[in-house]
Amino acid sequence: KAGVTQTPRYLIKTRGQQVTLSCSPISGHRSVSWYQQTPGQGLQFLFEYFSETQRNKGNFPGRFSGRQFSNSRSEMNVSTLELGDSALYLCASSAIGAGDTQYFGPGTRLTVL
Amino acid sequence: AQSVAQPEDQVNVAEGNPLTVKCTYSVSGNPYLFWYVQYPNRGLQFLLKYITGDNLVKGSYGFEAEFNKSQTSFHLKKPSALVSDSALYFCAVRASLANSGYALNFGKGTSLLVTP
Repeated sequence: KAGVTQTPRYLIKTRGQQVTLSCSPISGHRSVSWYQQTPGQGLQFLFEYFSETQRNKGNFPGRFSGRQFSNSRSEMNVSTLELGDSALYLCASSAIGAGDTQYFGPGTRLTVL
Repeated sequence: AQSVAQPEDQVNVAEGNPLTVKCTYSVSGNPYLFWYVQYPNRGLQFLLKYITGDNLVKGSYGFEAEFNKSQTSFHLKKPSALVSDSALYFCAVRASLANSGYALNFGKGTSLLVTP
């Protein structure tokens, strides 16, 4: 099976702009989670979607949002970008059980100037 | 609340020697525990997990981990380290309770350096 794919891999934006990141899960996986990775804060959970519904949300401001489509593909959006939003954004997919493994994509490196 | 502690920022080991990367956790109820590895400019790669059953879990690339409930630990081990094992290692936990959500809580990561 193909792995989790994320597009684009690299992105440069300026403060105040908005950005949309895309994630395609492993075929058959219905859960998609998003994480932010920064040197200072490490890996932090953003949100998780299952069957087009947000099932969990991390402690991030409302500028961070996401959605999932009927084919399980997911997008996350960050509006009014800040310098601190520069990070590696990782998407992970899993099957439906809590014990199921999350498989990660290569990430999108976002740089905010 | 769930949390993971990886007490060592960096572990150095000579090639051929055994390695241990430490992880302790805190969770309500029974834990689901995971180890991931990250190479530079890459995503996280799954190594192994503990859900239930045998406390010794074997995973990819010769890695194994031992679940110790009394010490709330899940240390990653490998009998003989390779230079190619040099990477960033993350321990993660998720509670098994139905209402605990599916988010993984990660430790800060441990950088493993294996020298020839």
